[in-house]
Amino acid sequence: AQKVTQAQTEISVVEKEDVTLDCVYETRDTTYYLFWYKQPPSGELVFLIRRNSFDEQNEISGRYSWNFQKSTSSFNFTITASQVVDSAVYFCALMDSSYKLIFGSGTRLLVRP
Amino acid sequence: DAMVIQNPRYQVTQFGKPVTLSCSQTLNHNVMYWYQQKSSQAPKLLFHYYDKDFNNEADTPDNFQSRRPNTSFCFLDIRSPGLGDAAMYLCATSRGLTGSNYEQYFGPGTRLTVT
Repeated sequence: AQKVTQAQTEISVVEKEDVTLDCVYETRDTTYYLFWYKQPPSGELVFLIRRNSFDEQNEISGRYSWNFQKSTSSFNFTITASQVVDSAVYFCALMDSSYKLIFGSGTRLLVRP
Repeated sequence: DAMVIQNPRYQVTQFGKPVTLSCSQTLNHNVMYWYQQKSSQAPKLLFHYYDKDFNNEADTPDNFQSRRPNTSFCFLDIRSPGLGDAAMYLCATSRGLTGSNYEQYFGPGTRLTVT
């Protein structure tokens, strides 16, 4: 069965600290896609990244970076030099042959000034 | 800008009084989804349309219905809202259901209160 686990319920950091959000997934499929979404207090889910199972290259986009490791079924998300505007709930999600987006329970990130 | 629009952003309804939530998109995507998100929980898929084909999730209560009169619009009808239906309702779209077409774009959500 498909499952996404985000073990960190809430993380609090001081501005400019680096922070890593963990995501562990389970699927029996060899082809699947992993996603990260950001949900600020306004409620909208904002797409951050999609990674397919055949591409294990890490990705960097500005202060954001993602580390995909199939060996440990993890797709972790790091924010470098965090800012107050990064405060939000972050969801990791999986899509495999079920064609559904399976969300983790989310990690609430609070960045304090 | 192409986008997913949901109206209203906040909706208050009375227990048992039918309510309709609206979603429109300018992305010309084939697939439209409705999710329910309760406080501090992940979004839960209720159903989706691929063009005019309706796909209901097995555990979606009968109280929830949907209509998609054209490509751009999709409605969520709650026939008899209960207190447990108070939640954020998110609409999303995607070009398709597979591979690179699967990226879902979400609207800002409608927060439903049931009194």
